[in-house]
Amino acid sequence: EAGVTQFPSHSVIEKGQTVTLRCDPISGHDNLYWYRRVMGKEIKFLLHFVKESKQDESGMPNNRFLAERTGGTYSTLKVQPAELEDSGVYFCASSQPPLAGSHEQFFGPGTRLTVL
Amino acid sequence: AQSVAQPEDQVNVAEGNPLTVKCTYSVSGNPYLFWYVQYPNRGLQFLLKYITGDNLVKGSYGFEAEFNKSQTSFHLKKPSALVSDSALYFCAVRAPLKAAGNKLTFGGGTRVLVKP
Repeated sequence: EAGVTQFPSHSVIEKGQTVTLRCDPISGHDNLYWYRRVMGKEIKFLLHFVKESKQDESGMPNNRFLAERTGGTYSTLKVQPAELEDSGVYFCASSQPPLAGSHEQFFGPGTRLTVL
Repeated sequence: AQSVAQPEDQVNVAEGNPLTVKCTYSVSGNPYLFWYVQYPNRGLQFLLKYITGDNLVKGSYGFEAEFNKSQTSFHLKKPSALVSDSALYFCAVRAPLKAAGNKLTFGGGTRVLVKP
């Protein structure tokens, strides 16, 4: 079974540019999450999709961040325009529906974003 | 609001000695607790979880953790550490209530260094 995949693995952009991160969850996982770890601090929740619907976007820092999950499969996270403080590692995770009895989230390798 | 504390930034242990990584949490209701490990240049890997039942849970790679409700702790343990256990360890909590959502709240991480 393929795990969660993320693309790109690294991205270096200049302040003011736009970057789009992609996440492909494990097949059959309705739940998809975005997290980020900035400057070696705690991993912070950004948002949660159930299929194509945003279930919880309480962690999104501001309106420069836009997440989509068209068709309920892969998801994208766009940062526009990027600022220096957006640098960090962006993780995507997925999990099965709660009725499946599994509560753990499976994480991708992350995208390291550097804004210069 | 839920929170997790990992009081030690780094734990050093000799190979073959017991390893303990501390974690305390704060959450409304009975917690769902998780440990993840991040090896260099890799994503987060799920180690183990406590949802309900026995307070001592066993996970991957010989790790175990003990849930202590009165002390609100969920310390990670391994009886005999290996050099290959050197990595970054994250404790996470999730509230069980549906209204709280599925988001994980992470501690700041503890770096484990096992010396030969």
